[in-house]
Amino acid sequence: DAGITQSPRHKVTETGTPVTLRCHQTENHRYMYWYRQDPGHGLRLIHYSYGVKDTDKGEVSDGYSVSRSKTEDFLLTLESATSSQTSVYFCAISSQGANQPQHFGDGTRLSIL
Amino acid sequence: AQSVTQLGSHVSVSEGALVLLRCNYSSSVPPYLFWYVQYPNQGLQLLLKYTSAATLVKGINGFEAEFKKSETSFHLTKPSAHMSDAAEYFCAVTEGMNSGGYQKVTFGTGTKLQVIP
Repeated sequence: DAGITQSPRHKVTETGTPVTLRCHQTENHRYMYWYRQDPGHGLRLIHYSYGVKDTDKGEVSDGYSVSRSKTEDFLLTLESATSSQTSVYFCAISSQGANQPQHFGDGTRLSIL
Repeated sequence: AQSVTQLGSHVSVSEGALVLLRCNYSSSVPPYLFWYVQYPNQGLQLLLKYTSAATLVKGINGFEAEFKKSETSFHLTKPSAHMSDAAEYFCAVTEGMNSGGYQKVTFGTGTKLQVIP
């Protein structure tokens, strides 16, 4: 299995608080992604990174920011969490090439009360 | 623009019966297609991928999928279902890269497979 670690695995927090999720990889892959998974919506891309300090928005980026200061780490921050951001968040990595699959972490279950 | 449609959000089969999960795609260029499986409380795992080498693709756990360009389909099959196949299955398509080298991936909304003993 690809070496991807997400932390924390579970988190409960309150509306309005900042939250940071961490993704750590040991595969030295160039690309890293953050998705959210919600029933009926499948996986939706929040942000992605194509290198250190190189990031771009996905389809549901409002309310989220990311940072990548090292190849192995990709952080997702909810600046001021809202109940609509309650979801399961997945980090994924891939090497370069459209024919390359993505490899996923085990997810972070985030509940915002 | 690329898109993926998975017909049936839930599919039930008896143990030992044929598994057929449907995926249709839309792509403006020759696509790369993937099937992933997700078990409870886990991330997605790659089952198989189509990258134009062969239209019939064999994957892990006895699954296979056939790329049919004329039907824009990439259905997933397994001759005989096992209880351990109960999971959610996602079809995905990529078209290529933008200037930053990002490979846009579009996932279907998933099909939950129930296997009845």
